[in-house]
Amino acid sequence: GNSVTQMEGPVTLSEEAFLTINCTYTATGYPSLFWYVQYPGEGLQLLLKATKADDKGSNKGFEATYRKETTSFHLEKGSVQVSDSAVYFCALSDYGDTGRRALTFGSGTRLQVQP
Amino acid sequence: GAGVSQSPRYKVAKRGQDVALRCDPISGHVSLFWYQQALGQGPEFLTYFQNEAQLDKSGLPSDRFFAERPEGSVSTLKIQRTQQEDSAVYLCASSPLGVAGDTGELFFGEGSRLTVL
Repeated sequence: GNSVTQMEGPVTLSEEAFLTINCTYTATGYPSLFWYVQYPGEGLQLLLKATKADDKGSNKGFEATYRKETTSFHLEKGSVQVSDSAVYFCALSDYGDTGRRALTFGSGTRLQVQP
Repeated sequence: GAGVSQSPRYKVAKRGQDVALRCDPISGHVSLFWYQQALGQGPEFLTYFQNEAQLDKSGLPSDRFFAERPEGSVSTLKIQRTQQEDSAVYLCASSPLGVAGDTGELFFGEGSRLTVL
């Protein structure tokens, strides 16, 4: 079946530091890949996505590249801000074993940015 | 509405009580999903509707869990005889297209946090 593995948190950084959150996946087909973000007290929001190999998703200074050869979709940002503090979820969408397309999520990585 | 709306936001139930959680998806969205998110974990799939048809309920953890979407818009997730292990945030998500032709992006509500005492 499909699965997503992402690095455990919390990740604690100082403002303007470089961020990497690792994500690898296992899928039976050709999934689309996503990063969702959950700010305190809010629902999950799509941060960025990539639908095929070598695609780069980007939004709000965050980037992730779909690497089929390493089955990875690592999230990066060059300079984090306090407002980036949130929980980040890597996810894939594929038809899987049931023929139904749905998102499979990783366990989430909490990012804490200190001023 | 503008986004996916869920109610109640918070529900405290005594063990053995029945609860009902409501989801109002984005208008016109065909697909509707329910997910369960335990504390510190990622969301886990429960069930999926395409319009009023429940096409997949493989993630429902027991027969105490039941979901419906009778008119293809609002959905209700019902949990009978709640147990402490049912404590979690229940997320509803919708998307505008059916299975074919979409990238899989889902639009989530803020969730209903259920605490079973």
